[in-house]
Amino acid sequence: EAGVVQSPRYKIIEKKQPVAFWCNPISGHNTLYWYLQNLGQGPELLIRYENEEAVDDSQLPKDRFSAERLKGVDSTLKIQPAELGDSAVYLCASSFRAGVKDTQYFGPGTRLTVL
Amino acid sequence: KQEVTQIPAALSVPEGENLVLNCSFTDSAIYNLQWFRQDPGKGLTSLLLIQSSQREQTSGRLNASLDKSSGRSTLYIAASQPGDSATYLCAVKTSGAGSYQLTFGKGTKLSVIP
Repeated sequence: EAGVVQSPRYKIIEKKQPVAFWCNPISGHNTLYWYLQNLGQGPELLIRYENEEAVDDSQLPKDRFSAERLKGVDSTLKIQPAELGDSAVYLCASSFRAGVKDTQYFGPGTRLTVL
Repeated sequence: KQEVTQIPAALSVPEGENLVLNCSFTDSAIYNLQWFRQDPGKGLTSLLLIQSSQREQTSGRLNASLDKSSGRSTLYIAASQPGDSATYLCAVKTSGAGSYQLTFGKGTKLSVIP
C-alpha cells in the first residue's frame, strides 16, 4: 500500500513569490493534516480536514496561507506571497478518522527555502 | 496548553551502548503517547504508541514507558547501532477543537558512532 505522497520534495523561491504544495493521502483515509516543522522543532498543526471540510484551521495564517481538499482526497497548501520566515518543512499526514485510536501516517514533507 | 519537552536535545553514543531518551508533558490528561523517528529529509515514522492506561510498550530493541501521573515517558534503546542515528520525537494526544490532536516535542537528535 502506498504511503502519503507529497510533491515537490524541495522548493526554492524568492520572497513575495507564490508557492503550492500537494498531498495525496493514503487511500481510504478521511482525515488529512498539514503540519509546519521549523528547523529543530517538532511539527505544528496548520489545518485538519475531515473529508472536504476544514474543521480546524485555527493555526493557519489566513492572510497568506490557504488550503483546499477537493473531492475529499488530494489537498493543496498555498502560500502567497511567501516570506523569509516561511522557510520550513511542510508535512502532510492522514488517518482513517480523527479518533483517539487513529494513527497518523506522515509523508516525506516538502522543504521550502525562501530567499 | 499542552507542552512537551524532550531531553537531551542531542546525544552521541558509541555503538553497542544502551541509551534512554526522555520526554515530559505538562498536562497529564492525555489519551496516548507516541514515539516517532525522523531521518534527515524524510517524514515521521511511528515507533511505539502507549495508551494512557498502559505502562510500557516494547518493539524489538525499543522499550517505551509511560508515567502519566508524573507527565513523563522514556524511550530505551538497547544495544544501539549506527542505523539508529536519527531524530526521535515524542508526541502526546489530547482532545481539542472537537477532536484529538498531537502535540510534539522538539526531538532528540541521536548519533550512534561506529
